[in-house]
Amino acid sequence: GQSLEQPSEVTAVEGAIVQINCTYQTSGFYGLSWYQQHDGGAPTFLSYNGLDGLEETGRFSSFLSRSDSYGYLLLQELQMKDSASYFCAVRANQAGTALIFGKGTTLSVSS
Amino acid sequence: DGGITQSPKYLFRKEGQNVTLSCEQNLNHDAMYWYRQDPGQGLRLIYYSQIVNDFQKGDIAEGYSVSREKKESFPLTVTSAQKNPTAFYLCATTTNYGYTFGSGTRLTVV
Repeated sequence: GQSLEQPSEVTAVEGAIVQINCTYQTSGFYGLSWYQQHDGGAPTFLSYNGLDGLEETGRFSSFLSRSDSYGYLLLQELQMKDSASYFCAVRANQAGTALIFGKGTTLSVSS
Repeated sequence: DGGITQSPKYLFRKEGQNVTLSCEQNLNHDAMYWYRQDPGQGLRLIYYSQIVNDFQKGDIAEGYSVSREKKESFPLTVTSAQKNPTAFYLCATTTNYGYTFGSGTRLTVV
């Protein structure tokens, strides 16, 4: 089967740095993306990695190693508003663009 | 303002009843998707459509049906055959490398 594994919960304090890991096992691979979802809301797109390496977008960075089937989302200078669930997702099919999602990591940021 | 709109926000279904969730987009995108999210869980794919008049089953299509008669619209019907329909339903379309989601519909069986 196809699966994405990520930690269920992570806790941190304001101003800290946190890394959320994602390992995947899929039939194909055409990119890893990350989404943020606040309680009661819809997921919003954060970042995408199609090739190995680091992508930086403000306080958030995402990394991919295709040889290790592994990626991570790095959140720096944490703020209370970063408390949310974070999902990694893989596009496993080139012909279609449907994503396979992990079960999500709940990040709690305290003061 | 371009986007994707889901309605209603909350929906209550009686046992044995079919209900239809609306999803409309004005982004002129070909591909549209329906996902289901249960509490504390990730998103699971129900159906997707890459072009008008064509759609494909996802991982959990049983008990659901869709249509794609117009590019802008991709409604999802939750049929009485779906035995555990209480969930958060999300419609999405693709933008560049990611998805844009609608605000979702919370369906509850009463």
